[in-house]
Amino acid sequence: DSGVTQTPKHLITATGQRVTLRCSPRSGDLSVYWYQQSLDQGLQFLIQYYNGEERAKGNILERFSAQQFPDLHSELNLSSLELGDSALYFCASNRIAGGDNEQFFGPGTRLTVL
Amino acid sequence: GENVEQHPSTLSVQEGDSAVIKCTYSDSASNYFPWYKQELGKRPQLIIDIRSNVGEKKDQRIAVTLNKTAKHFSLHITETQPEDSAVYFCAAGYTGGFKTIFGAGTRLFVKA
Repeated sequence: DSGVTQTPKHLITATGQRVTLRCSPRSGDLSVYWYQQSLDQGLQFLIQYYNGEERAKGNILERFSAQQFPDLHSELNLSSLELGDSALYFCASNRIAGGDNEQFFGPGTRLTVL
Repeated sequence: GENVEQHPSTLSVQEGDSAVIKCTYSDSASNYFPWYKQELGKRPQLIIDIRSNVGEKKDQRIAVTLNKTAKHFSLHITETQPEDSAVYFCAAGYTGGFKTIFGAGTRLFVKA
């Protein structure tokens, strides 16, 4: 157990819908990263927050947005869902903002869009 | 832009043999190179990492080498065991940067 929690574990929804994925980082971690992993694919970096502020963006679609709250948990919002958005979404956390330290991954949320 | 290339995409070895996975990075500012292992249906977990002031690091059956000049780094697993079967990701990050760029992953099969 990495100490990073994600809810829900599984999510099944229909095209056009909107969902929210939640992540709670390890105690003391200020950075949260979101990744998308499609079937048999690598980890696509979406976005990073540090202490409530957005710090880095990857190939995140405009239909997706995220935020980090004062208690440091983060939410990833996916809207106007398409079949291709079906994937495993991981969040990870670490203590600092830099890209030079281990990231601790949560168990992931599996999103299925029908 | 930043990029990490990883080869091979699939690797099949016999139990007891060695496995080598290679990565190349593009950003010369990168100074941190972690390797993550992801077992089927589970989260990625760090197995070893190396920083640019070190050329090689070893932890039991796992070793990583770094060639900064060529921007190459490699993972070596010796005496492979069936439980080593997983997807392995290399990555590159740097001090002051905010993201870690991951390679596409290598699916390792260790046949008993």
